[in-house]
Amino acid sequence: QPVLTQPPSASASLGASVTLTCTLSSGYSNYKVDWYQQRPGKGPRFVMRVGTGGIVGSKGDGIPDRFSVLGSGLNRYLTIKNIQEEDESDYHCGADHGSGSNFVVFGGGTKLTVL
Amino acid sequence: QVTLRESGPALVKPTQTLTLTCTFSGFSLSTSGMCVSWIRQPPGKALEWLARIDWDDDKYYSTSLKTRLTISKDTSKNQVVLTMTNMDPVDTATYYCARIPGSGWPFDYWGQGTLVTVSS
Repeated sequence: QPVLTQPPSASASLGASVTLTCTLSSGYSNYKVDWYQQRPGKGPRFVMRVGTGGIVGSKGDGIPDRFSVLGSGLNRYLTIKNIQEEDESDYHCGADHGSGSNFVVFGGGTKLTVL
Repeated sequence: QVTLRESGPALVKPTQTLTLTCTFSGFSLSTSGMCVSWIRQPPGKALEWLARIDWDDDKYYSTSLKTRLTISKDTSKNQVVLTMTNMDPVDTATYYCARIPGSGWPFDYWGQGTLVTVSS
């Protein structure tokens, strides 16, 4: 099954842009990845799914247009433009393995701080 | 409007069995393709998928925990129950349930989670 790697932290100034990265382990370049936002003290919230061709399906409920995704090789990116205070969250990526040992694997999460 | 809510004990002793209930609304687990999973998150650590139950009562478990987990559903009550035996302090975590609208789809709605502490 794939391993998903995320930097533990990222920061960006209010109004700026930031790109978060989720890297799949070797051999899984065709996998789609799901991005989840987790605000402090809350349950995760689905943001969107990304493959090498970009977004797959629709964004989660209430996700603003400021959020976008790209995929390239083993990397899956989540870009947030015009960052707002409400975007300060942990961002998790997950991949559906579909079968086998575990259906879904998650990355370690990236804590985004808005400066 | 889809909502999920986890409930269960906040504190359990080592070796005890944990029983958690996920009560949901806004969808039916008898709808073809619908699934509900349990996921947990130890304090400061990553999310970990635990188990899934499908509309047709198919069940799937984490390989590392499958001997300790049982998932079941009560469609009439809109509930999914997870039991975990032989609890250990390392099982201290926030436990979430989440909906999957079809196999291979993402977790599109999550509960707010319930913190379970394992301590004597």
